[in-house]
Amino acid sequence: AQSVTQPDIHITVSEGASLELRCNYSYGATPYLFWYVQSPGQGLQLLLKYFSGDTLVQGIKGFEAEFKRSQSSFNLRKPSVHWSDAAEYFCAVGRMFSGGYNKLIFGAGTRLAVHP
Amino acid sequence: SQTIHQWPATLVQPVGSPLSLECTVEGTSNPNLYWYRQAAGRGLQLLFYSVGIGQISSEVPQNLSASRPQDRQFILSSKKLLLSDSGFYLCAWSGDSGNTIYFGEGSWLTVV
Repeated sequence: AQSVTQPDIHITVSEGASLELRCNYSYGATPYLFWYVQSPGQGLQLLLKYFSGDTLVQGIKGFEAEFKRSQSSFNLRKPSVHWSDAAEYFCAVGRMFSGGYNKLIFGAGTRLAVHP
Repeated sequence: SQTIHQWPATLVQPVGSPLSLECTVEGTSNPNLYWYRQAAGRGLQLLFYSVGIGQISSEVPQNLSASRPQDRQFILSSKKLLLSDSGFYLCAWSGDSGNTIYFGEGSWLTVV
């Protein structure tokens, strides 16, 4: 069965420091991988996605993620964190079905706090 | 561009009362539509999905139901709410390729 693990429940970084959020997945085929961000009380916003091709993908807000098949990982990175990046981050793996719909399996999320 | 809206944003309902959460998508046709729930300590869970008008699939047995009366309208309902129905409900859509899902703003439901 598909699963997603985000090992870090909470992470605190200083503003301006670099960030890496970890994500490991279990999936039998080449996965569709996603990172979403959720600010308190808000919906989920798509940061970036990986389907195929270049394993380093760029997203919005200066985020990037690297797909490593050998490690079953899709870690999210940002070189310099801003206070507005404080939020909860969710990694997800998508499974496509005939009929064109997608079932996302989410990790438990990583809550990011940013110190000034 | 495509937009998704859901309402109400916040709802406080007594146990045993009915529920109706509504979601609409603009700027696309024949979207796949989804209802997710985010409950404390339980992560994000897919409740229902729909690939077309009147076509509803349920992922987990529960006290809720969904309907799709129009192409871009998705409704989450309950006849009698339980305390365990409390949570943050998210409507979402995907387009023709289906591979990317976009979420609405969410609806907070507190059952008291």
